[in-house]
Amino acid sequence: DVKVTQSSRYLVKRTGEKVFLECVQDMDHENMFWYRQDPGLGLRLIYFSYDVKMKEKGDIPEGYSVSREKKERFSLILESASTNQTSMYLCASTMTGLLYGYTFGSGTRLTVV
Amino acid sequence: QKEVEQNSGPLSVPEGAIASLNCTYSDRVSQSFFWYRQYSGKSPELIMSIYSNGDKEDGRFTAQLNKASQYVSLLIRDSQPSDSATYLCAVIFGGTSYGKLTFGQGTILTVHP
Repeated sequence: DVKVTQSSRYLVKRTGEKVFLECVQDMDHENMFWYRQDPGLGLRLIYFSYDVKMKEKGDIPEGYSVSREKKERFSLILESASTNQTSMYLCASTMTGLLYGYTFGSGTRLTVV
Repeated sequence: QKEVEQNSGPLSVPEGAIASLNCTYSDRVSQSFFWYRQYSGKSPELIMSIYSNGDKEDGRFTAQLNKASQYVSLLIRDSQPSDSATYLCAVIFGGTSYGKLTFGQGTILTVHP
């Protein structure tokens, strides 16, 4: 089975801290995605990457950046955490094409205090 | 703006009944459709995919696709309390690269004993 692993299940950070969320997949998928999920707002795409060092902005990139130095790893960076970034963060990966859905990681619930 | 619409529910059905979950999408050229199940506090898991008009069955689940009406549905037969979850419809819109999914807001299903 494809595994997508997110490094932390729960995280509490202080306002203004730089926060790193890590995601690793083990099935050689080209494409990786970061979403946040909030009640009533559904899944919102922050950034995605289609190759090493390649990235594209999603719908809500402000306040975030990403890094993909290796194919299997995709990191989300909160440059200066704010309380409105308290959320569930979900990483997903997939192969290029029309036939494949995402495999999601288990999620990181981030609380910024 | 390409959109995926779902009734947010909650949809409540008695145990043993058929649960019917519906989804409409805005782009006639879309080719790939997915249903995810998400338990509270967990990440989404893929339960069905469908690409051609008609029905696709997998155990108690049946996905139905009507591209002319831009409509996809999920039927759950013999519903069980363990089916209580949020169900997300997702679409790969025509012209979308990298397998990127667009999600609906999700329908909350409650199966009561």
